[in-house]
Formats: sequence, C-alpha cells, structure tokens
Amino acid sequence: EVQLVESGGGLVKPGGSLRLSCEVSGFTFSDYTMNWVRQSPGKGLEWVSSISKSGTYIYYADSMKGRITISRDNAKNSVFLQMNSLRDEDTAVYYCARDVMLSFGGVTMLLDAFDMWGHGTMVTVSS
Amino acid sequence: EIVMTQSPATLSVSPGERATLSCRASQSVSSKLAWYQQKPGQAPRLLIYGASTRATGIPVRFSGGGSGTEFTLTISSLQSEDFAVYYCQQYNTRDPVTFGGGTKVEIK
Repeated sequence: EVQLVESGGGLVKPGGSLRLSCEVSGFTFSDYTMNWVRQSPGKGLEWVSSISKSGTYIYYADSMKGRITISRDNAKNSVFLQMNSLRDEDTAVYYCARDVMLSFGGVTMLLDAFDMWGHGTMVTVSS
Repeated sequence: EIVMTQSPATLSVSPGERATLSCRASQSVSSKLAWYQQKPGQAPRLLIYGASTRATGIPVRFSGGGSGTEFTLTISSLQSEDFAVYYCQQYNTRDPVTFGGGTKVEIK
C-alpha cells in the first residue's frame, strides 16, 4: 500500500522556521519526482515546490522562493521542506504528493500531475 | 504563469443528475490538464490526467474532455459520494504548475 506521511507542522511565530518531512512507503521512492502543495484555510490548492528523482532539478513557487529549501533522502524514502522567515500568509495545510508515472514499452514518463498525496501537516504562523 | 479559471464556483445538482464543470487556461496547455476531487478534511484525489484519462480506480461516470484552453469534467450521474470540491490543474508549464480556484458541487 502506498503511503505518504507528513510531519513537522505546528505553531510558529512570524519570522520563524519549520522543517517539514514526508516519509513514504509502498513504492520505489527514487523513481519519482516529489512535490509539496499547500492549502490555506478555506482556500484552494497552491503548488509550493518540486524535486526530481535524484534531486538534480528543483523548483519553487515565487511566493516562497528564497525562504524555502526542498531536499530528499532516497535512502530514507523521505522528502523535506525547510521553511524560513515564515509569514502569516504561509498558514496552511502542507501536503506532499507524488508525480504520476506512465509506463509503456519499458519506458517510463513522469507527469507533473499528482496521483498520491499524504494527509497533510498544518502550519500555523501567528504571534 | 498560466492562470486557470473554473466555473461555476458552485454547482447545485440533484443526485442522479449530470454535472458539467468547466476549466479555462489563460494560454494553451495542450492536453496537460488534471482534475482532482477533494472532500472536507481530506487530501485531494486525482480523477483525470491528460485531460481525459481516468486515474486508477476512478469510476467511469467521471469523464474529462477538451484541449488547448477549454476543458470540462463531466459526472454522468451524481452519487452521494461525489458532492465535493473539484480542482483543475495544468502541468504543461512545470514552473509553476497551477490550479484553478475550484468548483463546489453541492446537493440541490
């Protein structure tokens, strides 16, 4: 069974830092690009960051660029999101999510749609 | 950044009826469009990718169509478990991928 389990959320003051973790099981982690997506209370979905299979390619949303660092440890089946200089508007549920993988004729392709999601971890930024 | 616009914001439908949701992209995304369903307190669930391909385990009453800038998600006969919020997402442009604002499907 595929599982993604986030942790590390909590209450932090403006300007503070948090490190989110997402530990996965049930699939070959190193075969997949991994992503973080957030959702502010009562709002829609916002992509935050992505990291390729080996960590070579990394992308950040402009809203958090310069304040976050995504990383992964393929030996530990985990992806991380270090968040610094947090603001009130960063309050959200943060989900980790896996890229869709298509396989045909021995060839695999990753799509930047997300087929497996964790349950999310809540980050609250408030004084 | 590609802006995704969903309509309507809320759709009131009776069980057993057909529901059609729309999603428009500010520029062409080819067929790189996904649909998600989200229920309160739950993570999103992938329904459709490639504009029209159902994800694993998704019932056939869910179908996607369109290409370029105009897309639809159709639920052929609404079941009680289908009342939820639906989001579209483009992934033609990787940086950033973008989501629509969502359509809430509620019981009429």
